[in-house]
Amino acid sequence: AQTVTQSQPEMSVQEAETVTLSCTYDTSESDYYLFWYKQPPSRQMILVIRQEAYKQQNATENRFSVNFQKAAKSFSLKISDSQLGDAAMYFCFLSGTYKYIFGTGTRLKVLA
Amino acid sequence: DSGVTQTPKHLITATGQRVTLRCSPRSGDLSVYWYQQSLDQGLQFLIQYYNGEERAKGNILERFSAQQFPDLHSELNLSSLELGDSALYFCASSDTSGPSTDTQYFGPGTRLTVL
Repeated sequence: AQTVTQSQPEMSVQEAETVTLSCTYDTSESDYYLFWYKQPPSRQMILVIRQEAYKQQNATENRFSVNFQKAAKSFSLKISDSQLGDAAMYFCFLSGTYKYIFGTGTRLKVLA
Repeated sequence: DSGVTQTPKHLITATGQRVTLRCSPRSGDLSVYWYQQSLDQGLQFLIQYYNGEERAKGNILERFSAQQFPDLHSELNLSSLELGDSALYFCASSDTSGPSTDTQYFGPGTRLTVL
């Protein structure tokens, strides 16, 4: 069975600082994708970043980057230069063979 | 704006009733996915359609059903509603059909309240 675990229910970061959100997963498949989605108070699910499992290089999108450790089944999200607009729920998402699993989410608070 | 549209935005109904949620995927996307987000169950995958055919099933109750029409829009039908069905229902779409699907783009959701 596939699982996704986010062990940090809530995190806080000072504006302009860096924060890392953790995600671990379990799957027996070799072909899968991993994503981070952001859900602000509007409840819209917004794609932050994606990672193909077959790619060793960590994905980067502007201030967002991941640390993908395939052997350890770890997929953490680093947010640099945090902004007030980054405050939201962040969900780790595993897309496998017709199986789509979300983690329980991490609420990120950004302090001015 | 993801390009995925969902109607209605809000729906309030009574226990035992039946409702239909509608989703239009992004232009060109053939796959549609339905998810339920509730306080106690989190975000759960319900069902996937690809070009009109059911492709994958998740934790979808027997009281729930879905279909995808020739114009690619999809409908999720919820019947014999219970209080516990109150949730935010998301539709997502992607342009792939493979078993390990690529990026899913989410609609704004339909908030269902069952009284």
